[in-house]
Amino acid sequence: IAGITQAPTSQILAAGRRMTLRCTQDMRHNAMYWYRQDLGLGLRLIHYSNTAGTTGKGEVPDGYSVSRANTDDFPLTLASAVPSQTSVYFCASSVVQGGSYGYTFGSGTRLTVV
Amino acid sequence: TQLLEQSPQFLSIQEGENLTVYCNSLSVFSSLQWYRQEPGEGPVLLVTVVTGGEVKKLKRLTFQFGDARKDSSLHITAAQPGDTGLYLCAGLQTTDSWGKLQFGAGTQVVVTP
Repeated sequence: IAGITQAPTSQILAAGRRMTLRCTQDMRHNAMYWYRQDLGLGLRLIHYSNTAGTTGKGEVPDGYSVSRANTDDFPLTLASAVPSQTSVYFCASSVVQGGSYGYTFGSGTRLTVV
Repeated sequence: TQLLEQSPQFLSIQEGENLTVYCNSLSVFSSLQWYRQEPGEGPVLLVTVVTGGEVKKLKRLTFQFGDARKDSSLHITAAQPGDTGLYLCAGLQTTDSWGKLQFGAGTQVVVTP
């Protein structure tokens, strides 16, 4: 089934540790995004990529980095995790930048930093 | 402060009742989308509205885009338990050359049998 695969599904991580959240899509979408979802705050954009080889900062980029080596993969790295990064992380993609055709979301990664 | 304000934050109704969810902003959007999210899953696109004043229907769901393209509403007729979920509006600002969607915080809808 075409879509977005995120891994892991959930993770408990010690503060200070490094972690990479994986995101792979098989729809050949050009644009990809990372959001975090927190109660009462909705979805907030962390980083985005409009095409392979380019990335940009979203609303809450501090403490996170991304890379886009190819069309399909868009990993999100937490260099040194802190408790405030406890959240549910969603990867999304769209056919073209602008999302006028809508975003396709993965099922999310629930991350707890202790 | 959210760019897109959704109201109410929470709505609990009985099966068969009608409900309306609102999405408001001071900004103009070139398009606005509605998503539904169920527990443990990512949001799923319901509809995209593009033209000011546009009305779209999806079975018992009616979506309207404001004339000035600053607001939208979602109306559900004769709600069913399957309509339970978090409803999110998302807009593409006309001033955003990178084309990133801005999301509201969502309205949690609970429909009880």
